[in-house]
Amino acid sequence: DQQVKQNSPSLSVQEGRISILNCDYTNSMFDYFLWYKKYPAEGPTFLISISSIKDKNEDGRFTVFLNKSAKHLSLHIVPSQPGDSAVYFCAASAGGTYKYIFGTGTRLKVLA
Amino acid sequence: NAGVTQTPKFQVLKTGQSMTLQCAQDMNHEYMSWYRQDPGMGLRLIHYSVGAGITDQGEVPNGYNVSRSTTEDFPLRLLSAAPSQTSVYFCASSPDAGHYNSPLHFGNGTRLTVT
Repeated sequence: DQQVKQNSPSLSVQEGRISILNCDYTNSMFDYFLWYKKYPAEGPTFLISISSIKDKNEDGRFTVFLNKSAKHLSLHIVPSQPGDSAVYFCAASAGGTYKYIFGTGTRLKVLA
Repeated sequence: NAGVTQTPKFQVLKTGQSMTLQCAQDMNHEYMSWYRQDPGMGLRLIHYSVGAGITDQGEVPNGYNVSRSTTEDFPLRLLSAAPSQTSVYFCASSPDAGHYNSPLHFGNGTRLTVT
């Protein structure tokens, strides 16, 4: 069973507009959520995270929103830039389990 | 500061051969882990370690073996390679996984093909 789901395999957005990437999870014990960005032939790089005690975390152009009742998180990128074109993974962890569970990824393409 | 270093970058094996994927980190991280990435499957956890001498299984441990004799190194062993193990393998480390503000740092991966 997939505990972390990214239901959109791909997304295309115009440069300057907002990109919204979504992630759903099933395990109510998850309390730490992360987003990673991955370019081809490279390892994933950490982007932004949020703990379950918050519902929003911002870092520059990137904002992550957490809706615990819906078991849903989203990553907003504003404004989107061509360099943001990559695969984005969300991940979740339950405190003390030492396991990060990843979603299947969403490929974002930002069109110039 | 090299971060997480994985070797080799590419490897082709025949079915039944064995090999070890190497992973080293120079950040003195206690936590290390191995993932495999397959199309449509995302990143799946194979094994992880919370410190030297301590390892545990992840989501897909079958066919893989690990040990952690030092803080720096966490090799992944394939005892008898199978075509189903064709994948890209990523090693990752963290100061203290599972705690807030302790994200994983990834290496650049090893692309393994088993024929």
